[in-house]
Formats: sequence, C-alpha cells, structure tokens
Amino acid sequence: AQKITQTQPGMFVQEKEAVTLDCTYDTSDQSYGLFWYKQPSSGEMIFLIYQGSYDEQNATEGRYSLNFQKARKSANLVISASQLGDSAMYFCAMRAKETSGSRLTFGEGTQLTVNP
Amino acid sequence: SAVISQKPSRDICQRGTSLTIQCQVDSQVTMMFWYRQQPGQSLTLIATANQGSEATYESGFVIDKFPISRPNLTFSTLTVSNMSPEDSSIYLCSAGTFEAFFGQGTRLTVV
Repeated sequence: AQKITQTQPGMFVQEKEAVTLDCTYDTSDQSYGLFWYKQPSSGEMIFLIYQGSYDEQNATEGRYSLNFQKARKSANLVISASQLGDSAMYFCAMRAKETSGSRLTFGEGTQLTVNP
Repeated sequence: SAVISQKPSRDICQRGTSLTIQCQVDSQVTMMFWYRQQPGQSLTLIATANQGSEATYESGFVIDKFPISRPNLTFSTLTVSNMSPEDSSIYLCSAGTFEAFFGQGTRLTVV
C-alpha cells in the first residue's frame, strides 16, 4: 500500500520569500510518480509539478521545484518568490505505477498563507 | 495537457434525491477517475471508470450508491444516489495517461 505524509498542516511565508512544503512517501514499488497540486478556495485541483521515480534531475516548473530525495523517500515542493496568489491548500500525491493514469494517493495537505 | 470540463460546478440538493455529475475530457483517455473530498479533508478515490466495462470501486464505495457510466473515451458520469448530508463534498473527476489532470470539481451540499 502507498502512503503520503504531509506533516505541516499550515505554513506561513512572507511575500517574495521562498517556502518549502514537506512530503514523505512510502511504497514498495520501484516505479512510481510523485505530484504536487494546488487547491485554492474555489476547489479546483491545479497540477503543479511531476517527478518520476527514475528521473535523475529534480523537476522544475517556473517558480516550483521538487526536491526529490529517493533514499529518504521525500519529495518536498519549493516555491520561490512567493506571491499572494500562492495562498492555497497544497497536496502531495503519488501514483504507484506508470500505467495507473491518475489513480493517486493523496496526503492530507498543507495550507499555505502568504503574508504581504 | 488534458482539459477536463465538469458540471455542475455546485449544487444544493434535498436529502433522498440523486445528482448526476458529468465529466468531459478534450482527448481520448483509457481511464477516468472519480474522487471525493469531504469538508476539510484530502481526496479519496471512489472508482476507476473504464470504457466498455464496469467501473472498479475502492473499498467503502459501492455501485448502488455511486453508479458510474463511461459510454466513450471522452466522457463519464458519476451519480450520487439517495443523498444524505454526509454526502456533502467536492466531487472531482480526473484523467491523464502520464500527468494527472482534474476537472474543476462539483461542490455538493445536501440539505
């Protein structure tokens, strides 16, 4: 069984600063994928970034980067130069197999608040 | 990237009634997924919808309560049947072969 753990229920950051949201995972699969999503108060799930278990380079997408440490089974999201619009709930998720499409296991989420 | 359209975006329903949620993908996908997000909680997978076969339900979810249709490779519906206030949640559909994309969600309130 797969498990995702997000230990930070809430995080605060000052505008323009960087913030790291923690995510650890547990799986016995050799091939898996890790995702981060942003959920604003409207409820939609916005895809941010993806990291495959065999990817040697850490994934980056604009201001988002994923700090992937396979031996530690961690996949932390780093948001650089925080903006007020980054205030939202952030979910880490895992897909067990490459062929599983969007069959994901989610963590409990971290509520990020960006202060002006 | 896949664009997923979901409707309705929100609804308020009377207990005992049923609501059907529609999900349309802008490209053909083999599998579509339905999730539930109860208030203040994370997402939980309800079922996997495959075209041409019955949906596969996760533990704790049954077809009588959450019937799913998948008539083609771009469309699926989820029905929430005989609703009670405990069914008040956000329901989301998802698709994607590699990356996983979501519809905008249906915020359901049962009164």
